[in-house]
Amino acid sequence: GAVVSQHPSRVICKSGTSVKIECRSLDFQATTMFWYRQFPKKSLMLMATSNEGSKATYEQGVEKDKFLINHASLTLSTLTVTSAHPEDSSFYICSAGPLGTSVETQYFGPGTRLLVL
Amino acid sequence: GENVEQHPSTLSVQEGDSAVIKCTYSDSASNYFPWYKQELGKRPQLIIDIRSNVGEKKDQRIAVTLNKTAKHFSLHITETQPEDSAVYFCAAVEIQGAQKLVFGQGTRLTINP
Repeated sequence: GAVVSQHPSRVICKSGTSVKIECRSLDFQATTMFWYRQFPKKSLMLMATSNEGSKATYEQGVEKDKFLINHASLTLSTLTVTSAHPEDSSFYICSAGPLGTSVETQYFGPGTRLLVL
Repeated sequence: GENVEQHPSTLSVQEGDSAVIKCTYSDSASNYFPWYKQELGKRPQLIIDIRSNVGEKKDQRIAVTLNKTAKHFSLHITETQPEDSAVYFCAAVEIQGAQKLVFGQGTRLTINP
């Protein structure tokens, strides 16, 4: 149990285009999902906290108009990278915890590798 | 907010030897400290965690120790095996405001046969 999936697993796009990444909790419901970005050989940096039915909370320095987050249901959150540029190339990972659990209980998705040409 | 520092950034040990990775945190209110193992291109996997009311926890070859006074915690891997090679991240829960995990910088562990 407690499986989180991400789609796509990898994507290549041209500079200036938008890319949508989906994060799904397959066997549990999640009020909150987290989006992380990980550059090569670097740590996981929290970008934003996605809350079902409300606006996402963005970390300092993360542009909310560039990284659009939608959490329309208890099992799906999407991250859209708008007008992507080469510097947005990274490994994007989401995580989610079952309803009623704290941030201590997080299950990570497999990640999405984004390459912007 | 919480700040987590992790050392060393790289660690190479002979198979069968022990490996120790250390982390310090800044917020004395933090009360949960997980360790994750991440293989190349994969998701982080929780390998062990410890809460602030416990000083040590062990699970087979893996153990974690916590010193609340000094605000540091360590991961100990004994009898290392080649499959232990990976990047390890420590983390702490930031309590203030919206709770979130704050990760250390990571340690690339290489087990030499």
